[in-house]
Amino acid sequence: AQTVTQSQPEMSVQEAETVTLSCTYDTSESNYYLFWYKQPPSRQMILVIRQEAYKQQNATENRFSVNFQKAAKSFSLKISDSQLGDTAMYFCAFMKPITQGGSEKLVFGKGTKLTVNP
Amino acid sequence: DAGVIQSPRHEVTEMGQEVTLRCKPISGHDYLFWYRQTMMRGLELLIYFNNNVPIDDSGMPEDRFSAKMPNASFSTLKIQPSEPRDSAVYFCASSPRDRVSGANVLTFGAGSRLTVL
Repeated sequence: AQTVTQSQPEMSVQEAETVTLSCTYDTSESNYYLFWYKQPPSRQMILVIRQEAYKQQNATENRFSVNFQKAAKSFSLKISDSQLGDTAMYFCAFMKPITQGGSEKLVFGKGTKLTVNP
Repeated sequence: DAGVIQSPRHEVTEMGQEVTLRCKPISGHDYLFWYRQTMMRGLELLIYFNNNVPIDDSGMPEDRFSAKMPNASFSTLKIQPSEPRDSAVYFCASSPRDRVSGANVLTFGAGSRLTVL
């Protein structure tokens, strides 16, 4: 079974600074998908970014980018120019696509609580 | 689109009572998922449906939990009888099938916070 590990329960960063959240996963699959979701205090789960394992190029969405290291099974999230609104829980998640015998399940890490300080 | 709509937003009940959580997925989405979030266990998938049919309910904790999807626009998660350890936030999510890559991108509702006293 796939597992996702986020080793940093809590992190903090100053506004406008850059922060990197770590995620590692365990799988024997060659093709899969990785996601970062954000959960602000409002509780809403919001998709931040998605990476397909067969793509070598790291995904980027505005101030959010990932460092995907397939061999190391690492998928870190970098937030540049941190804003107060980035304060949230961040969850890393893994999915094996159904075209590869997957089951549509998202497997989540335990999350990292990020606080952006003014 | 209004997104995934869940109700109630908060529910406080006493042990032994029946609890029904409701979800309206995004129109046109083929998949519907129920997740539970607790501090101890994080986010766990309870069950998911494809075209209103339950596909995998292996995450449903025990017989006290049941889920239905009578049509494409409505699903319920029922707990009967409820116990204090069921206290959690319950999320519903829906997704279309990404027919190119085979992966889904889930859109979550705001969650229902259940407290069982």
